[in-house]
Amino acid sequence: GQNIDQPTEMTATEGAIVQINCTYQTSGFNGLFWYQQHAGEAPTFLSYNVLDGLEEKGRFSSFLSRSKGYSYLLLKELQMKDSASYLCAVRPSTDSWGKLQFGAGTQVVVTP
Amino acid sequence: DTEVTQTPKHLVMGMTNKKSLKCEQHMGHRAMYWYKQKAKKPPELMFVYSYEKLSINESVPSRFSPECPNSSLLNLHLHALQPEDSALYLCASSQDPEGLAGYNEQFFGPGTRLTVL
Repeated sequence: GQNIDQPTEMTATEGAIVQINCTYQTSGFNGLFWYQQHAGEAPTFLSYNVLDGLEEKGRFSSFLSRSKGYSYLLLKELQMKDSASYLCAVRPSTDSWGKLQFGAGTQVVVTP
Repeated sequence: DTEVTQTPKHLVMGMTNKKSLKCEQHMGHRAMYWYKQKAKKPPELMFVYSYEKLSINESVPSRFSPECPNSSLLNLHLHALQPEDSALYLCASSQDPEGLAGYNEQFFGPGTRLTVL
């Protein structure tokens, strides 16, 4: 079956760094996405990894290890507006390009 | 225009009502999706349309009926729903139904919060 795990909640202070881990066990792998979802709003795309390694985009970086079924999203210089749910989503295979398997999301709380 | 819009934002309906959710995008995307999201749970895929044709139905009950009138519009018709169908319904779109163009990330609308009484 499909299984994607991420922590339920993380708290950090403004200006700090937070790392959100995601582990997955899926039938096939064709890319991993990170989305940010503020309460009551649409999920918005943050990053995409399909090859092993680190992708950096400003304050956000995402890492993938396919052999370990592991990814993390790193948020640096945290700002209050970063308080949101962060969703890890795996595209299981090339045969199901339209399917994304989502984790339950990690609620990040940024405190002053 | 880089957004997906959904109407209504909130909907309350009885179990005997018939209602429709609407989704629209003007990004030229040729794949559109319906998801259901319960509180503190991940979005669950319901339907995928590719070039206005239904390509994936994740064994969704027939009381949910999708429709794609054209490449910009996606509807979800609701009839005889149950209270457990109360959830946030998200629409999304992506550029390329065959997954050949770049990331082919999905762009989500803000959702319709549905309550079934």
